[in-house]
Amino acid sequence: DTEVTQTPKHLVMGMTNKKSLKCEQHMGHRAMYWYKQKAKKPPELMFVYSYEKLSINESVPSRFSPECPNSSLLNLHLHALQPEDSALYLCASSQSRKAGTEGTQYFGPGTRLLVL
Amino acid sequence: TQLLEQSPQFLSIQEGENLTVYCNSSSVFSSLQWYRQEPGEGPVLLVTVVTGGEVKKLKRLTFQFGDARKDSSLHITAAQPGDTGLYLCAGEGAQKLVFGQGTRLTINP
Repeated sequence: DTEVTQTPKHLVMGMTNKKSLKCEQHMGHRAMYWYKQKAKKPPELMFVYSYEKLSINESVPSRFSPECPNSSLLNLHLHALQPEDSALYLCASSQSRKAGTEGTQYFGPGTRLLVL
Repeated sequence: TQLLEQSPQFLSIQEGENLTVYCNSSSVFSSLQWYRQEPGEGPVLLVTVVTGGEVKKLKRLTFQFGDARKDSSLHITAAQPGDTGLYLCAGEGAQKLVFGQGTRLTINP
């Protein structure tokens, strides 16, 4: 089973709202990732968690706040977003951060976010 | 900065034809993944290649990793309409995946 699940599938929010995106995997993977993907572009890395600790923040604005409550769950808390933050938000996981097969990332189906 | 140049960006061919997609870089990657992505969905892993010169086959798809681990190709034999989609290569860089810009493939019946 190589499934990563994400909820919700779609989200519409105003610029003053607070919402959260959720990601879950039950593959025993110890690395989890958040990506942002704009239309017709490849995914852009936002955050990396390794063994439930934040290891990479790609200079993401503070209106995006990640959280890793346990090894299976990854959240992305959203607050005071801008219309340009509208995008497909992808979660991924890998066995570890080691190079090679262990580092292969498996993506979830994404959350399509629209900020009005 | 590591870059992966993927070509062609767009490809539209008839059912039954063969095609090859290329990913090239001046950087060495410890591994390279190929993904396929449908509109509004997440990328689905097709293959991981790790060893220089490695060739992997997935039904009508053949993946090759260059000897120097700087480039890779995806060859599709006898393309079918179900192969239509966005194909992404992604190299495992120092700290993160480096994505190519993608190849949008359309197979016409």
